[in-house]
Amino acid sequence: SQQGEEDPQALSIQEGENATMNCSYKTSINNLQWYRQNSGRGLVHLILIRSNEREKHSGRLRVTLDTSKKSSSLLITASRAADTASYFCATEGSWGKLQFGAGTQVVVTP
Amino acid sequence: KAGVTQTPRYLIKTRGQQVTLSCSPISGHRSVSWYQQTPGQGLQFLFEYFSETQRNKGNFPGRFSGRQFSNSRSEMNVSTLELGDSALYLCASSLIAGNFPDTQYFGPGTRLTVL
Repeated sequence: SQQGEEDPQALSIQEGENATMNCSYKTSINNLQWYRQNSGRGLVHLILIRSNEREKHSGRLRVTLDTSKKSSSLLITASRAADTASYFCATEGSWGKLQFGAGTQVVVTP
Repeated sequence: KAGVTQTPRYLIKTRGQQVTLSCSPISGHRSVSWYQQTPGQGLQFLFEYFSETQRNKGNFPGRFSGRQFSNSRSEMNVSTLELGDSALYLCASSLIAGNFPDTQYFGPGTRLTVL
C-alpha cells in the first residue's frame, strides 16, 4: 500500500501561473521528501522537510508540512514549461524504504 | 560528483529468462535502494543494501534478489521473468546520516521489457 497520496492526480496550467499539489500520509514520519520525474526517467530530489519543520523554500519551490493533519503541500511559483513533470511525495519508512504516492502529473503550457 | 549510474538503460527479455541490473552509487554513498515503477502499481520498494548487507526488503517474490559489493555497487537479479516484470527499475543511493538514510538520489533507471 502507498503511504502518500497526492492530490490532484493531474494539473494543467499556463506558464507564469503557480501550481499547488498536496500530499497526505497515514503514519508518523521523520521526514517527507518531494521528487520530480520527467517522462519515465529517474527521480530528481527537490526538497526534504523534517517533521519538526513547517515550511521550506528552494528557489521557486515552497513546501509546507502539517504533521497534525498528516499532510504536505508543494507550491511551484511562476511555472515554466520545463516544470512539466510528475511530482511525488515520499515518506521514509525503515532502512532506506521510501513510500511514494501515485504522483501529480503537471503540464505547463507556454 | 558523478550521479547514480545504472546499466543497462534498456533491456528486452523473454519470459522465463533472467536478468541482472547494475547500479553504481554516488561516490561515498553506502546505502543503495531499489524500486520498481509500473503504471499500475506506481513506485514500489524492492530492497535496500548497506555495507553489503540487505537491511530491508519489500513485498516481492523470491525471484527478485540483489547484492552489494564492497565498493557499494549493487546488482539486482530477476529470475524466471514474467510479463508483469516489465517496468522501470530505479536505484537510489544515500549517504547515511545517523540511524536512518537521508536524501535518496536516484539513477536514470533501467527500462525492462519482457516479451
